[in-house]
Amino acid sequence: DAGVIQSPRHEVTEMGQEVTLRCKPISGHNSLFWYRQTMMRGLELLIYFNNNVPIDDSGMPEDRFSAKMPNASFSTLKIQPSEPRDSAVYFCASGPQDRDNEQFFGPGTRLTVL
Amino acid sequence: AQSVTQLGSHVSVSEGALVLLRCNYSSSVPPYLFWYVQYPNQGLQLLLKYTSAATLVKGINGFEAEFKKSETSFHLTKPSAHMSDAAEYFCAVSNTGGFKTIFGAGTRLFVKA
Repeated sequence: DAGVIQSPRHEVTEMGQEVTLRCKPISGHNSLFWYRQTMMRGLELLIYFNNNVPIDDSGMPEDRFSAKMPNASFSTLKIQPSEPRDSAVYFCASGPQDRDNEQFFGPGTRLTVL
Repeated sequence: AQSVTQLGSHVSVSEGALVLLRCNYSSSVPPYLFWYVQYPNQGLQLLLKYTSAATLVKGINGFEAEFKKSETSFHLTKPSAHMSDAAEYFCAVSNTGGFKTIFGAGTRLFVKA
């Protein structure tokens, strides 16, 4: 199993640009989570999906952030326009139906907004 | 509402010494409890989980944790630290009725030679 795949692994962009982060969950998993990790705020849940449907997006910081899951094998997190304070590591995680809410994390995307 | 408190943002032990990382949780329903480990520049990996079966849970790499309902604790231990245990450790709580998992702030473990 390839595990959760995230792309790109590193992204450097300038303030005001649109950023799209991508995630491919583990096949067969029905839950998908987007997290943001910073030194100051730790690990924050941004949004999670179950069976491709957004369940809770209360962690999305602003309207500049949006997430989609068009099918069971792909999700995106978009920031438009990006700001320097969005610089962080963004993790995608997926989880199977029958594993007691266990989550499998991807390697993360390190985003730097200049 | 659920919450997790990890006592100590940094813990330092000598190689071969006992590792004890503390975690207290708050939950209004029977919880699922987890410990995850994060090595530098990697995502989190599951170490172990409690799901209302045995209160003493054994995980990978010699780690174990004990669920104590009366103390609302789920401390992580390892009898003998190894240099490769140096990482950040996250305690987390979830519940049977949903998918959302709340993570603690993390404890960074340093292992001295």
